[in-house]
Amino acid sequence: EVVLTQSPATLSLSPGERATLSCRASQSVSSYLAWYQQKPGQAPRLLIYDASNRATGVPARFSGSGSGTDFTLTISSLEPEDFAVYFCQHRSNWPVTFGQGTKLEIK
Amino acid sequence: QLQMQESGPGLVKPSETLSLTCTVSGGSISGSTYYWGWIRQSPGKGLEWIGSFYYSGSTYYNPSLKSRVTISVDTSKNHFSLKLGSVTAADTAVYYCARSGFWSADVGIFDSWGQGTLVTVSS
Repeated sequence: EVVLTQSPATLSLSPGERATLSCRASQSVSSYLAWYQQKPGQAPRLLIYDASNRATGVPARFSGSGSGTDFTLTISSLEPEDFAVYFCQHRSNWPVTFGQGTKLEIK
Repeated sequence: QLQMQESGPGLVKPSETLSLTCTVSGGSISGSTYYWGWIRQSPGKGLEWIGSFYYSGSTYYNPSLKSRVTISVDTSKNHFSLKLGSVTAADTAVYYCARSGFWSADVGIFDSWGQGTLVTVSS
């Protein structure tokens, strides 16, 4: 199965700053990578699918890039509601797998 | 708007079978081209996909759990169920039901989730 490694584990930034989160796959997943946001006590929410497509209702400050094994989620200017945990997930084959998450915390 | 709601016991004894149900409202399991399935989340293993099914045919299970898992559907009640046998403390997790696309363009993209239910395995 594909192993997804996210970095950093924790990212401390201030509102208004730019956030860059990384996800690396143990083998190529083409562009079949998604990003989810999870807040405490809530289910994950789909943000980005197929590396760079924003899901319905996701603000334009969220963008994704990458292909093959290296992917990036960028939040251009952090809003207070963006501080959460972010997971990547591939869908290149079954079983789909998730990264271990990056916690984005307020500095 | 689609809503998914998990239900079932919050405490299961070791070696017994965990049973959960996901009730879908605002959409039909049998009237749509989606995969429906289960994902769990634990502090130790993070998010782990358990399995997904299409109402009229294919079912996929995570190989790591396949020998213990059964997912079934009751289209008359618009709900589906998870059974996980021979549970241990390692199966303690929040269990989510989730929907993903069916076609190659969107299979494996989980666009709708239930709120999750915590299941603890303990005697």
